[in-house]
Amino acid sequence: DTGVSQDPRHKITKRGQNVTFRCDPISEHNRLYWYRQTLGQGPEFLTYFQNEAQLEKSRLLSDRFSAERPKGSFSTLEIQRTEQGDSAMYLCASSLGLAGLNTYNEQFFGPGTRLTVL
Amino acid sequence: GENVEQHPSTLSVQEGDSAVIKCTYSDSASNYFPWYKQELGKRPQLIIDIRSNVGEKKDQRIAVTLNKTAKHFSLHITETQPEDSAVYFCAGGYALNFGKGTSLLVTP
Repeated sequence: DTGVSQDPRHKITKRGQNVTFRCDPISEHNRLYWYRQTLGQGPEFLTYFQNEAQLEKSRLLSDRFSAERPKGSFSTLEIQRTEQGDSAMYLCASSLGLAGLNTYNEQFFGPGTRLTVL
Repeated sequence: GENVEQHPSTLSVQEGDSAVIKCTYSDSASNYFPWYKQELGKRPQLIIDIRSNVGEKKDQRIAVTLNKTAKHFSLHITETQPEDSAVYFCAGGYALNFGKGTSLLVTP
């Protein structure tokens, strides 16, 4: 499968625990995005990378959230001290960014990781 | 940051009719406007996109129009079919801020 993959697909955790999700983008894509989606809402931007550099992080993003893309390939999203309000679908997407930061192309989404915080 | 507003939130049409979904954006520097379709339980998938250097783009039954002056863009679906039923999202802004979505129902 050459599409975007995410692991795990489902995660149930207790409030206060830490969780980590992984995203493997399409191999030639240099841009990687994380979104959060709750029922009935559009994807909410969390952060994005161009290669290994984290270029933008939502101001709405709590400091309990951190993302990395150490080698410019796969990425991890960690949520520390989870809260019930963190329950959502976490989507990863990748794209091939052209030269220049202000140029954008189609994003290909992964299947998502559904997080449930009890 | 970019603020994208999408209307209507729900839309019901009869098969064969047209459907129009509208979005407005706030950042005049935005230059890329995609539309995504998300079926229940599935990931969003791009159906059409437009860049700020054109005013209209068409792909078979789907078209998108862009009015940069008014800062709005619209999705047009003609000859709707039941399989068009899904949630549609517009997006704008360099970090792709999504609208809240339009749930389209096409009844036979």
